[in-house]
Amino acid sequence: AQRVTQPEKLLSVFKGAPVELKCNYSYSGSPELFWYVQYSRQRLQLLLRHISRESIKGFTADLNKGETSFHLKKPFAQEEDSAMYYCALPYSGGGADGLTFGKGTHLIIQP
Amino acid sequence: DAGVTQSPTHLIKTRGQHVTLRCSPISGHKSVSWYQQVLGQGPQFIFQYYEKEERGRGNFPDRFSARQFPNYSSELNVNALLLGDSALYLCASSLGQPLGEQYFGPGTRLTVT
Repeated sequence: AQRVTQPEKLLSVFKGAPVELKCNYSYSGSPELFWYVQYSRQRLQLLLRHISRESIKGFTADLNKGETSFHLKKPFAQEEDSAMYYCALPYSGGGADGLTFGKGTHLIIQP
Repeated sequence: DAGVTQSPTHLIKTRGQHVTLRCSPISGHKSVSWYQQVLGQGPQFIFQYYEKEERGRGNFPDRFSARQFPNYSSELNVNALLLGDSALYLCASSLGQPLGEQYFGPGTRLTVT
C-alpha cells in the first residue's frame, strides 16, 4: 500500500541554519511527489513538486528512488518559513488529483 | 477571485444526524476533491469529481457521498454521523489535469457530539 512517512512531528531550528524536512514514501510505480505548506491562518498551498524541479522560496527537494525519499531542504532558514509542511504523492486508485498526505512536520524557526 | 470557498465555516452535529458541506471552486476549475483532516494528521482523500462525475474515491464508507453541480460547485454529504467523523473537511479545486496543482479552501470544521 502506498504511504507517506514524515518522521518528525516538530522541527525547531535557528534562523540562518540549514533545514531538512524528511519524507519517505512507499509507492508501486514511478512516483510524483509534492510538498504542500500551510502558514499560520492561511490555506494549504503547493510549495513545490518533483516534476517541475524548481526551487520555491529557496526550498528544493530531490527524489531519491533508491532510498524512497523526497526530503525538503533549505540552506538558510528564515523566520517566515515557520509553518506546517506536508509531503504528498498521488492517491493510488483515486482520481487524477487525489493525494495521499503524510502527517506533516511543524517547522519552527527561532530568531 | 476569492479562491475556493466553503460553507459553513464550522458546525456542530449530534451522532446519527446527517450533514451537508458545500464547496465552490475557483472560476474555470472543473475538478473538486474532498479531504478529511483529523487533528494531528494530514488530509485524507475522500473523493474527486470532474465534470460532474466521480473520478476517484478514497477508503471511506458509503455514509460519505458527494456530487458536483453544472456550475462545478460540490456538496459532501455524510449520513449517520459518528463521533469519529469530527474533523476539518477540506475542499480543493483544480483544472483537472493529472498531477496538477490543487487549490485548497479554508475548510469546514465539523464537530460531532
